[in-house]
Amino acid sequence: AQSVTQLGSHVSVSEGALVLLRCNYSSSVPPYLFWYVQYPNQGLQLLLKYTTGATLVKGINGFEAEFKKSETSFHLTKPSAHMSDAAEYFCAVTRGPGGGADGLTFGKGTHLIIQP
Amino acid sequence: GAGVSQTPSNKVTEKGKYVELRCDPISGHTALYWYRQSLGQGPEFLIYFQGTGAADDSGLPNDRFFAVRPEGSVSTLKIQRTERGDSAVYLCASSSPISANVLTFGAGSRLTVL
Repeated sequence: AQSVTQLGSHVSVSEGALVLLRCNYSSSVPPYLFWYVQYPNQGLQLLLKYTTGATLVKGINGFEAEFKKSETSFHLTKPSAHMSDAAEYFCAVTRGPGGGADGLTFGKGTHLIIQP
Repeated sequence: GAGVSQTPSNKVTEKGKYVELRCDPISGHTALYWYRQSLGQGPEFLIYFQGTGAADDSGLPNDRFFAVRPEGSVSTLKIQRTERGDSAVYLCASSSPISANVLTFGAGSRLTVL
Protein backbone atom coordinates (compact mmCIF):
# COMPACT_ATOMS: atom_id res chain seq x y z
CA ALA A 1 0.00 0.00 0.00
CA GLN A 2 1.09 3.52 -0.65
CA SER A 3 1.88 5.84 2.27
CA VAL A 4 3.34 9.25 2.96
CA THR A 5 5.29 10.52 5.95
CA GLN A 6 5.74 14.21 6.54
CA LEU A 7 8.44 15.00 9.05
CA GLY A 8 7.48 17.82 11.38
CA SER A 9 3.86 18.70 12.05
CA HIS A 10 4.93 22.33 12.48
CA VAL A 11 7.76 24.23 10.78
CA SER A 12 8.62 27.82 11.66
CA VAL A 13 10.84 30.03 9.51
CA SER A 14 11.60 33.72 9.35
CA GLU A 15 10.33 35.82 6.49
CA GLY A 16 12.93 35.71 3.73
CA ALA A 17 14.46 32.45 4.92
CA LEU A 18 14.57 29.12 3.11
CA VAL A 19 11.51 26.92 3.42
CA LEU A 20 12.06 23.15 3.54
CA LEU A 21 9.15 20.77 4.12
CA ARG A 22 10.04 17.09 4.18
CA CYS A 23 8.10 14.24 2.60
CA ASN A 24 8.98 10.58 2.31
CA TYR A 25 6.81 8.05 0.57
CA SER A 26 6.33 4.32 0.27
CA SER A 27 4.93 2.89 -2.93
CA SER A 28 4.79 -0.54 -4.53
CA VAL A 29 4.44 1.02 -7.97
CA PRO A 30 6.21 3.96 -9.65
CA PRO A 31 4.71 6.87 -7.77
CA TYR A 32 3.20 10.10 -8.87
CA LEU A 33 3.80 12.67 -6.15
CA PHE A 34 2.03 15.88 -5.25
CA TRP A 35 2.15 18.83 -2.90
CA TYR A 36 -1.06 20.61 -1.94
CA VAL A 37 -1.53 23.75 0.16
CA GLN A 38 -4.54 24.48 2.33
CA TYR A 39 -5.36 27.95 3.61
CA PRO A 40 -7.80 28.31 6.52
CA ASN A 41 -11.38 27.41 5.61
CA GLN A 42 -10.42 26.70 2.01
CA GLY A 43 -10.01 23.60 -0.09
CA LEU A 44 -6.72 22.04 -1.03
CA GLN A 45 -4.88 23.72 -3.89
CA LEU A 46 -2.33 21.92 -6.04
CA LEU A 47 1.17 23.41 -5.72
CA LEU A 48 3.06 21.02 -7.96
CA LYS A 49 3.28 17.42 -9.09
CA TYR A 50 5.78 14.87 -10.30
CA THR A 51 4.66 12.19 -12.75
CA THR A 52 7.52 11.27 -15.06
CA GLY A 53 10.52 12.99 -16.62
CA ALA A 54 12.45 15.77 -14.93
CA THR A 55 12.85 15.07 -11.24
CA LEU A 56 12.96 18.74 -10.23
CA VAL A 57 9.52 20.21 -10.62
CA LYS A 58 8.49 23.81 -10.23
CA GLY A 59 5.13 24.90 -8.98
CA ILE A 60 3.16 27.98 -8.15
CA ASN A 61 4.21 30.71 -5.73
CA GLY A 62 7.92 29.98 -6.17
CA PHE A 63 7.82 26.47 -4.70
CA GLU A 64 9.70 23.53 -6.13
CA ALA A 65 10.28 19.89 -5.20
CA GLU A 66 12.75 17.22 -6.20
CA PHE A 67 11.89 13.55 -6.62
CA LYS A 68 14.69 11.36 -5.29
CA LYS A 69 13.92 7.72 -5.90
CA SER A 70 16.96 6.45 -3.98
CA GLU A 71 15.82 8.33 -0.90
CA THR A 72 12.07 7.84 -1.52
CA SER A 73 11.71 11.56 -0.90
CA PHE A 74 9.88 14.50 -2.41
CA HIS A 75 10.83 17.50 -0.27
CA LEU A 76 9.27 20.90 -0.93
CA THR A 77 11.42 24.04 -0.95
CA LYS A 78 11.16 27.76 -1.49
CA PRO A 79 14.24 30.01 -1.41
CA SER A 80 12.63 32.93 0.39
CA ALA A 81 9.57 32.68 2.60
CA HIS A 82 6.78 35.22 2.43
CA MET A 83 4.15 35.92 5.05
CA SER A 84 1.48 34.73 2.62
CA ASP A 85 3.06 31.25 2.59
CA ALA A 86 1.70 30.53 6.07
CA ALA A 87 -0.64 27.57 5.57
CA GLU A 88 -0.97 23.80 5.90
CA TYR A 89 0.98 21.75 3.35
CA PHE A 90 0.18 18.19 2.36
CA CYS A 91 2.29 15.73 0.45
CA ALA A 92 0.41 13.02 -1.45
CA VAL A 93 1.11 9.91 -3.52
CA THR A 94 -1.10 8.11 -5.99
CA ARG A 95 -3.13 5.37 -4.31
CA GLY A 96 -2.45 2.72 -6.90
CA PRO A 97 -1.16 1.96 -10.36
CA GLY A 98 -3.87 4.00 -12.04
CA GLY A 99 -1.72 7.10 -12.27
CA GLY A 100 -3.89 8.95 -9.83
CA ALA A 101 -7.24 8.24 -11.44
CA ASP A 102 -8.16 6.26 -8.32
CA GLY A 103 -7.21 9.09 -6.01
CA LEU A 104 -4.38 10.06 -3.68
CA THR A 105 -3.05 9.09 -0.28
CA PHE A 106 -2.11 12.11 1.83
CA GLY A 107 0.35 12.71 4.61
CA LYS A 108 -0.74 14.24 7.91
CA GLY A 109 0.37 17.69 6.87
CA THR A 110 2.90 20.30 7.96
CA HIS A 111 1.80 23.63 9.35
CA LEU A 112 4.14 26.33 8.05
CA ILE A 113 4.55 29.35 10.30
CA ILE A 114 6.26 32.48 9.00
CA GLN A 115 7.79 34.79 11.57
CA PRO A 116 8.21 38.46 10.69
CA GLY B 1 -19.42 25.48 -12.52
CA ALA B 2 -16.03 27.11 -12.15
CA GLY B 3 -15.05 25.04 -9.14
CA VAL B 4 -16.16 22.18 -6.94
CA SER B 5 -19.09 23.27 -4.82
CA GLN B 6 -19.98 21.65 -1.51
CA THR B 7 -23.05 22.22 0.60
CA PRO B 8 -23.65 22.83 3.39
CA SER B 9 -20.41 24.47 4.42
CA ASN B 10 -21.27 23.78 8.05
CA LYS B 11 -23.61 21.25 9.57
CA VAL B 12 -24.30 20.75 13.25
CA THR B 13 -26.38 17.73 14.19
CA GLU B 14 -27.18 15.56 17.16
CA LYS B 15 -25.91 12.09 17.75
CA GLY B 16 -28.07 9.51 16.01
CA LYS B 17 -29.37 11.83 13.30
CA TYR B 18 -29.11 11.35 9.53
CA VAL B 19 -26.98 13.72 7.45
CA GLU B 20 -26.53 14.36 3.73
CA LEU B 21 -23.60 16.26 2.26
CA ARG B 22 -23.69 17.38 -1.35
CA CYS B 23 -20.92 17.83 -3.90
CA ASP B 24 -21.28 19.51 -7.28
CA PRO B 25 -18.12 18.81 -9.32
CA ILE B 26 -16.61 20.77 -12.15
CA SER B 27 -18.60 20.33 -15.33
CA GLY B 28 -17.12 17.58 -17.49
CA HIS B 29 -15.17 15.95 -14.68
CA THR B 30 -15.99 12.27 -14.78
CA ALA B 31 -14.20 11.24 -11.59
CA LEU B 32 -15.40 12.34 -8.16
CA TYR B 33 -13.74 11.66 -4.80
CA TRP B 34 -14.80 11.96 -1.17
CA TYR B 35 -12.28 12.45 1.60
CA ARG B 36 -12.61 13.00 5.34
CA GLN B 37 -10.25 15.29 7.21
CA SER B 38 -10.19 15.10 10.97
CA LEU B 39 -8.60 17.82 13.08
CA GLY B 40 -4.82 17.82 12.70
CA GLN B 41 -4.84 15.06 10.11
CA GLY B 42 -4.48 14.78 6.38
CA PRO B 43 -7.41 13.95 4.11
CA GLU B 44 -8.44 10.31 4.36
CA PHE B 45 -9.84 8.58 1.27
CA LEU B 46 -13.45 7.42 1.50
CA ILE B 47 -14.78 6.60 -1.96
CA TYR B 48 -14.44 7.54 -5.60
CA PHE B 49 -16.75 7.42 -8.60
CA GLN B 50 -16.11 7.05 -12.29
CA GLY B 51 -19.30 8.29 -13.85
CA THR B 52 -22.27 6.93 -11.94
CA GLY B 53 -20.59 3.92 -10.39
CA ALA B 54 -18.55 3.69 -7.23
CA ALA B 55 -15.21 2.42 -8.50
CA ASP B 56 -13.69 2.03 -5.04
CA ASP B 57 -15.53 2.41 -1.74
CA SER B 58 -12.88 0.72 0.37
CA GLY B 59 -12.34 3.83 2.48
CA LEU B 60 -15.87 4.03 3.85
CA PRO B 61 -15.43 3.33 7.59
CA ASN B 62 -18.62 1.29 8.09
CA ASP B 63 -22.09 0.66 6.70
CA ARG B 64 -23.46 3.89 8.18
CA PHE B 65 -21.69 5.72 5.34
CA PHE B 66 -23.02 5.62 1.80
CA ALA B 67 -22.55 7.77 -1.29
CA VAL B 68 -24.38 8.06 -4.59
CA ARG B 69 -23.88 9.79 -7.90
CA PRO B 70 -27.02 8.85 -9.85
CA GLU B 71 -26.49 10.96 -12.96
CA GLY B 72 -22.72 11.06 -13.04
CA SER B 73 -22.50 14.63 -11.85
CA VAL B 74 -23.68 15.68 -8.37
CA SER B 75 -22.83 13.31 -5.55
CA THR B 76 -24.34 12.95 -2.08
CA LEU B 77 -22.55 11.47 0.90
CA LYS B 78 -25.03 10.03 3.37
CA ILE B 79 -24.31 9.27 7.00
CA GLN B 80 -26.83 7.38 9.10
CA ARG B 81 -27.03 7.31 12.91
CA THR B 82 -24.28 9.86 13.26
CA GLU B 83 -21.74 9.49 16.04
CA ARG B 84 -19.50 12.10 17.68
CA GLY B 85 -16.51 10.47 15.99
CA ASP B 86 -17.97 11.37 12.60
CA SER B 87 -17.20 15.03 13.29
CA ALA B 88 -14.75 16.17 10.61
CA VAL B 89 -14.46 18.17 7.41
CA TYR B 90 -15.71 16.17 4.45
CA LEU B 91 -13.89 17.11 1.25
CA CYS B 92 -15.01 16.45 -2.28
CA ALA B 93 -12.75 16.55 -5.33
CA SER B 94 -13.16 15.92 -9.02
CA SER B 95 -10.84 15.31 -11.97
CA SER B 96 -11.12 15.29 -15.74
CA PRO B 97 -10.31 12.37 -18.04
CA ILE B 98 -7.45 14.35 -19.58
CA SER B 99 -5.78 15.14 -16.26
CA ALA B 100 -6.96 12.24 -14.16
CA ASN B 101 -4.36 12.72 -11.44
CA VAL B 102 -5.09 16.42 -10.89
CA LEU B 103 -7.74 16.57 -8.21
CA THR B 104 -9.59 19.86 -7.73
CA PHE B 105 -11.01 20.15 -4.23
CA GLY B 106 -14.02 21.93 -2.85
CA ALA B 107 -13.88 23.96 0.35
CA GLY B 108 -15.42 21.14 2.33
CA SER B 109 -18.41 20.54 4.57
CA ARG B 110 -17.66 20.78 8.27
CA LEU B 111 -19.78 18.29 10.21
CA THR B 112 -20.14 18.59 13.96
CA VAL B 113 -22.00 15.86 15.83
CA LEU B 114 -23.05 16.87 19.33
